[in-house]
Amino acid sequence: GQQVMQIPQYQHVQEGEDFTTYCNSSTTLSNIQWYKQRPGGHPVFLIQLVKSGEVKKQKRLTFQFGEAKKNSSLHITATQTTDVGTYFCAGEGGATNKLIFGTGTLLAVQP
Amino acid sequence: ETGVTQSPTHLIKTRGQQVTLRCSSQSGHNTVSWYQQALGQGPQFIFQYYREEENGRGNFPPRFSGLQFPNYSSELNVNALELDDSALYLCASSLVGGRNIQYFGAGTRLSVL
Repeated sequence: GQQVMQIPQYQHVQEGEDFTTYCNSSTTLSNIQWYKQRPGGHPVFLIQLVKSGEVKKQKRLTFQFGEAKKNSSLHITATQTTDVGTYFCAGEGGATNKLIFGTGTLLAVQP
Repeated sequence: ETGVTQSPTHLIKTRGQQVTLRCSSQSGHNTVSWYQQALGQGPQFIFQYYREEENGRGNFPPRFSGLQFPNYSSELNVNALELDDSALYLCASSLVGGRNIQYFGAGTRLSVL
């Protein structure tokens, strides 16, 4: 079945450093979404990418969707302690409405 | 906050028992999805309901069942609980015809002993 993997599983950075998480799907996606889950919280929607090669920015966050629509990345510039949490990508593929979540990347930011 | 509410917040059951979890969707949303999130993992899609009918299912056995009511609230029922069913159960509402963006509730933490 369809699988969505993320690397790294865990990243520890000093505040002010950059951070990137990568997402790879075993199948072509119709779109990809990104969610953030704070410790003890629930996933919160960040963004959706639909077009091949699409790049979107939200302040310090930059999201990319690969040309083949099988991979994506999230880059955070100059991390802050408020960025702490687990970042999940979630892919939607084919005729199904099923959203497949990735394995997540836990970001720890040291002040 | 999303406006999606779940109850109860925590639950402890023993193996073999049955459990019902409840979810109230965000106003205006006509679709509800249920996810299971084990510790340290991503949410796993259980099923989705639209117009009171199951509208997609993940790789979960039939002892996981659901209902959606006319007011778009929903229930997740799990029969014959197993130890591996211990997880955070998340409900998410969305709008059919929208972009399938999931608005999650805070979840129900189920522990099976």
